[in-house]
Amino acid sequence: ILNVEQSPQSLHVQEGDSTNFTCSFPSSNFYALHWYRWETAKSPEALFVMTLNGDEKKKGRISATLNTKEGYSYLYIKGSQPEDSATYLCAPLTGANNLFFGTGTRLTVIP
Amino acid sequence: KAGVTQTPRYLIKTRGQQVTLSCSPISGHRSVSWYQQTPGQGLQFLFEYFSETQRNKGNFPGRFSGRQFSNSRSEMNVSTLELGDSALYLCASSGPGTGENSPLHFGNGTRLTVT
Repeated sequence: ILNVEQSPQSLHVQEGDSTNFTCSFPSSNFYALHWYRWETAKSPEALFVMTLNGDEKKKGRISATLNTKEGYSYLYIKGSQPEDSATYLCAPLTGANNLFFGTGTRLTVIP
Repeated sequence: KAGVTQTPRYLIKTRGQQVTLSCSPISGHRSVSWYQQTPGQGLQFLFEYFSETQRNKGNFPGRFSGRQFSNSRSEMNVSTLELGDSALYLCASSGPGTGENSPLHFGNGTRLTVT
């Protein structure tokens, strides 16, 4: 069992603000780090799968960085929009699709 | 391409009963994983199947079991239901190939309520 911590637990930002969240995890026995977005009444949707130390991924206004040596990942959202409102989950991969999910950061973007 | 399909969407069962949940993965995906979410908890890994073989199992009691068929469809069974089994059960598929380092594609889940 891994202790995966995400902070903050919840966040309210104004439309147009940029924001970031943190995912911390034990750096040993690590194969990859997944990020998912989970909107209310929908199923979780994959954002990124990151495997390399120093890796940086980008998808539109959302980007993520990974530091495997120290066990953390940051997710950034530039110019937040109301449709970005969701819970953002990170999950280190330790075995065959054995993902340990954090409890997530719930983002609310206020128009 | 059709997404991951889970049936049923909702279930109400009584303590002591058993339940079977079904998951059809995305066509071509051979890895199917199951997760449980209870209020206040993150998604917790139950087990993962690939080519009809369980490759990995989470920290759940033996009342939770699963299987995968030759067409990659998977079922999850919970026997002797307890109140604490009330949760959202999510199935996810990944691929192609072994599915490792591929993102998971989740279904809409089955919400199980045990009374």
